[in-house]
Amino acid sequence: DAKTTQPNSMESNEEEPVHLPCNHSTISGTDYIHWYRQLPSQGPEYVIHGLTSNVNNRMASLAIAEDRKSSTLILHRATLRDAAVYYCIRPPNDYKLSFGAGTTVTVRA
Amino acid sequence: DVKVTQSSRYLVKRTGEKVFLECVQDMDHENMFWYRQDPGLGLRLIYFSYDVKMKEKGDIPEGYSVSREKKERFSLILESASTNQTSMYLCASRGDAELQPQHFGDGTRLSIL
Repeated sequence: DAKTTQPNSMESNEEEPVHLPCNHSTISGTDYIHWYRQLPSQGPEYVIHGLTSNVNNRMASLAIAEDRKSSTLILHRATLRDAAVYYCIRPPNDYKLSFGAGTTVTVRA
Repeated sequence: DVKVTQSSRYLVKRTGEKVFLECVQDMDHENMFWYRQDPGLGLRLIYFSYDVKMKEKGDIPEGYSVSREKKERFSLILESASTNQTSMYLCASRGDAELQPQHFGDGTRLSIL
């Protein structure tokens, strides 16, 4: 079962950090965690991925728990352009993706 | 940056029409995908292709077909459009290297009247 669990929504103020949690308690040792986001009226875009250690890129940071049963996507300073639906997924080997409801992030000016 | 271009952002067609949705990618990716996205149902895979002239069914292929005559282009065909095919359609592409992400187009919002 490749299920992940995320909160339905989160709110943040502009310029503040946003921490988006994801639970993946049934993850196997070789499953990567990927994050995508979807801005209004756009297709999904890749954000970041990781396996065990924390990862950083220009968009975000990904903190993975030591037991790998959960992870947190961190947007260090939210802007209005970060308002989107964020999806945490465990892509299967054939990379046929499926997204659930994700977390809708609202950023207040 | 990878560019995945879908031919139309919005499209309105009538029941029974044959509908073509076109997708072009500019990164020489081997793999291309067609999804539909519906409220409450998330993203669902219709068809995908891992090479020219190759195609495989996804989770919901009924009522659809695809064509991949050139590497950069992947077409989705609704043989006889029905109202339950009103949806947001998303095309994506991906390279073969391990852990490559999928790159999505901006979607076509298709309404079948």
